[in-house]
Amino acid sequence: QQPVQSPQAVILREGEDAVINCSSSKALYSVHWYRQKHGEAPVFLMILLKGGEQKGHEKISASFNEKKQQSSLYLTASQLSYSGTYFCGTVARDHSGNTPLVFGKGTRLSVIA
Amino acid sequence: DSGVTQTPKHLITATGQRVTLRCSPRSGDLSVYWYQQSLDQGLQFLIHYYNGEERAKGNILERFSAQQFPDLHSELNLSSLELGDSALYFCASSVFTGGFYEQYFGPGTRLTVT
Repeated sequence: QQPVQSPQAVILREGEDAVINCSSSKALYSVHWYRQKHGEAPVFLMILLKGGEQKGHEKISASFNEKKQQSSLYLTASQLSYSGTYFCGTVARDHSGNTPLVFGKGTRLSVIA
Repeated sequence: DSGVTQTPKHLITATGQRVTLRCSPRSGDLSVYWYQQSLDQGLQFLIHYYNGEERAKGNILERFSAQQFPDLHSELNLSSLELGDSALYFCASSVFTGGFYEQYFGPGTRLTVT
């Protein structure tokens, strides 16, 4: 089941904040966040695990609400370099070890000067 | 640089043809995943190999096949190509770290079918 990301797109001015959400209808084990610049490979940002553990990026934070099966990515004091498409990838709680990620359709973020 | 390599970077071919995309995972990673990304679309999982064995299949067409070799590199074969197969094809490899698998993506192969 593909997770749902919102918003689909957002435009920010430098220094503004943004929140990107990722919701799943399935109970999740982990949520993985990636950023992709146009024509380039997705770059790993952060993982959130059931139980609240996270491993991530220095200027980007995230949360995982187990009740809602929703993760939110927080981008604060945005910089031009934050522009790109953000994808969440999920692993279901009934996963069998090394399973592939199911990605959302992405949120396109544009930061302008 | 993620450490995952893919060749070629670009591929232009005609409908009906067959192509092979190659991926080498990061040193020590046993898993290889293949994803397809069409224009303005998300990442669609195609297939997963672990240490030479197929582990999971996603939305992979019958015209597509893959394998992972003893040296752990993987190849994705696309045959009877159609215009709609034009896309970016990524492979990723994973490492188990602190209770979860981190996936690292290669630079991708851009396939254009004319």
